[in-house]
Order: sequence, then structure tokens, then C-alpha cells
Amino acid sequence: DAMVIQNPRYQVTQFGKPVTLSCSQTLNHNVMYWYQQKSSQAPKLLFHYYDKDFNNEADTPDNFQSRRPNTSFCFLDIRSPGLGDAAMYLCATSRGLRRDTQYFGPGTRLTVL
Amino acid sequence: LAKTTQPISMDSYEGQEVNITCSHNNIATNDYITWYQQFPSQGPRFIIQGYKTKVTNEVASLFIPADRKSSTLSLPRVSLSDTAVYYCLVGARGTASKLTFGTGTRLQVTL
Repeated sequence: DAMVIQNPRYQVTQFGKPVTLSCSQTLNHNVMYWYQQKSSQAPKLLFHYYDKDFNNEADTPDNFQSRRPNTSFCFLDIRSPGLGDAAMYLCATSRGLRRDTQYFGPGTRLTVL
Repeated sequence: LAKTTQPISMDSYEGQEVNITCSHNNIATNDYITWYQQFPSQGPRFIIQGYKTKVTNEVASLFIPADRKSSTLSLPRVSLSDTAVYYCLVGARGTASKLTFGTGTRLQVTL
């Protein structure tokens, strides 16, 4: 009964080589989020979509982009990964902006060589 | 944006009640308090949310004093499987982008 699915669970890329991480949800939630979590640190919000409206956090680097082609899917694109972008990337959803309960996927661990 | 302060780590024995306190001195009137649990290599999982006084569900209780400047997550009779990081978040409903995870409390439960 997976609700928030992230693929792949582990991704290895080379320095500077674009990479795309995928998230899908079966909850039909309006809001989808992407977080970055580095080792032993708290998750850090990168951006979120409310339906098709994109909301970028002020300190999210331009290197990070996102697409949401439909309600169920959301992608995180890292245009030119650096060594410092190695982290766990978490996707989450919530029903709307009226409720803060977020449902997280298992995450994708990105390694940059 | 309300900042939260939690103990970095706590230890407990199995079967004990664990109370984790979170300070949020500049909590705003519209802010709710939410707690998440995160196991290694997994995404955070919602535990409980409250606005004032006491909230209880099948997993935990949340105690919030009248001034709302702090809150306490209470886990009754912890087991080894409760070993995780617990995050306290403060944010207003309707401002999804303002949910910020603090450093979290790493709870270690042993026999």
C-alpha cells in the first residue's frame, strides 16, 4: 500500500552529469514537496508544488529544478551535481495547504562521484 | 518563523516513558506544533499535532502549556523499535513552505 513512491532508492551520478529523481503518489494530494537531507542533519525544504503552482525556497540553488507534469508525479532535476549535493532526497505530499501533515516517501540516496 | 530547540539526544530503557521537550519561544498565534519520527534511511513519519493543552493518539501524547512556548512529546512504554530521531516542527496551517525541521532529538532505547 505504498502511498509516496520514490525511484530509484539509490542513484549514483558523476560530477556535473544531470540527474533526475522521481516521486509518485497514490494519495491524490494537492501538494508535493522535495527535501534534501544530508548525513546527520534535518531535512531541508527545497521547494513545493501546490497543484501546478511552484514555490521555491529562497536559498534553494538554481542547480535544482522541479517538474510536476500531473497530480501524481513530481521530478527533481539536478542540472550539474556537485560533490556537495550528495544527500538523501525526500519527497512528501500533503492534502492541501490547510493541513500540515506531510506523508514522506522512503527517499532517494544520491551519490556523486 | 518560529525556531525550535530540542535536546540533541536522549537515552531510555525499554518499557519506560519518554518525554521529549521542545522549546519554541516565538511561536505565533496561528502556529501548530507537529512531531515527526524518522528511522535511519527512511522518510519522516507524522506522529502527532496539536495547538494547545493535550492531544493523545494511539502512538503518543502531546502536552502544550498555556503559553505555548514549549511542548512535550510523551511516548509511553518505549520499545527498541522506538529508537529514532524525533523532530518538533512549528508552523501555521496554510503555509506549507514554512515548515522547518529543527535538529531533532535522537532517542536511543536499550534493554
